[in-house]
This record gives sequence, C-alpha cells and structure tokens, in this order.
Amino acid sequence: DAGVTQSPTHLIKTRGQQVTLRCSPKSGHDTVSWYQQALGQGPQFIFQYYEEEERQRGNFPDRFSGHQFPNYSSELNVNALLLGDSALYLCASSFLATPWEQYFGPGTRLTVT
Amino acid sequence: AQSVTQLDSQVPVFEEAPVELRCNYSSSVSVYLFWYVQYPNQGLQLLLKYLSGSTLVKGINGFEAEFNKSQTSFHLRKPSVHISDTAEYFCAVTSDSGGGADGLTFGKGTHLIIQP
Repeated sequence: DAGVTQSPTHLIKTRGQQVTLRCSPKSGHDTVSWYQQALGQGPQFIFQYYEEEERQRGNFPDRFSGHQFPNYSSELNVNALLLGDSALYLCASSFLATPWEQYFGPGTRLTVT
Repeated sequence: AQSVTQLDSQVPVFEEAPVELRCNYSSSVSVYLFWYVQYPNQGLQLLLKYLSGSTLVKGINGFEAEFNKSQTSFHLRKPSVHISDTAEYFCAVTSDSGGGADGLTFGKGTHLIIQP
C-alpha cells in the first residue's frame, strides 16, 4: 500500500523564480492538503483540494496556487519566490469523509537563494 | 479560528523514565485534537487522535494523551521512553465542524531528547 509520495525531495531556486511541487496521495484517498513548515516551526495550512477544487485556504498570498488532477494527485505552485518561502512543503492526503485524518508525505525541501 | 501552544520547546528525559509533553489549545468551537511525531528529515506520523468519547486516548508506540476540556489541554504521556523516541512532537487541532476543510493548526513543536 503506497503512502503519500512527493517530488522532488530537494529543490534550490533563485528569488523571483517559480516552482512546482508534486504530490501523489495515499491509495484510495481523494483529498489533498498542503502545508508549509519553516525551520523550527510547526506546519502551516496552505490549502486543501477535493474534486479538483480548492475547498479552503489558509493565510497565504495568491502567489501560492494549486491544482488537483482527476487521479487525485496534486501540484503546489509558488510564483515570484521570496527568501522567506524557503521551507519544507508537506502534502497530506485523506478521505473526504474523514478529512482530519491526514497522512503526510516526506516533504519537499525548498531553498530560495 | 484555533491556536495551539506547546509549552516546552525542548524536553530532555533519561531513557526508561516517564515523559509528559504539554499542549494547550484555544478555540471558540468544539475541536478534534491530534499528536504527530516527526523524525529527522521525515514527514509527520500520526501518534493518536481525540475525536469524541473517552478522554484518555491510546496511540502507537506506547503513547497516550488525555483530553481535558475545562483546561483546554491535551497532554501527551509515555510511561517509559526509549532512545528511538527522540524526535519532534507536534500537537494539532481542527474544528469538528466545517467538514475538516480548515486544515490542521499545529503548535511549534516539542523536541524530545532521550538521554542514555
């Protein structure tokens, strides 16, 4: 039973560039959430997707956008990167019926220089 | 909106000793509560959750937590820790309404350090 997978593992980008992170949910899950975890902090909710629609969004600017595909996989896009966007980006998947029971992937470490 | 306060950023404990990691939350609505563990360079793993019912919940790896509504706390305990328990522990909360779309709100984490 494959768990949540994320790619790439690590990424280095320059300020002003754009980045796309990818997530495949745990087998059978239909809902995907994204979190940002800055160094030494707890994860912060970015947004959640179900049926290719954004259900809810945390306190993040429009530079952060997402997409969910028909196979439930998801992408997180960040435009106009800032140094402060450097963080571990975590994807979590769940069933719509139990969206609070989230299974996390290993994360993508993004470094902005 | 909810918030979570983990009262200790770091807790050193000797191996085989008991440990308690403290978590307090703030919310104007009823909540679900969670504890997650994060090992170095890994994602988060769910230790246990409180949704309803018994206020004492048992999780994996011998951990348990007690929900105290009057004190708005959800402290995590283990009677005897092992070196392998060294990790970062996160308390999290979400509203029990809204269909869970609000995401989880996490505390800043407690680093559990097991000393031999």
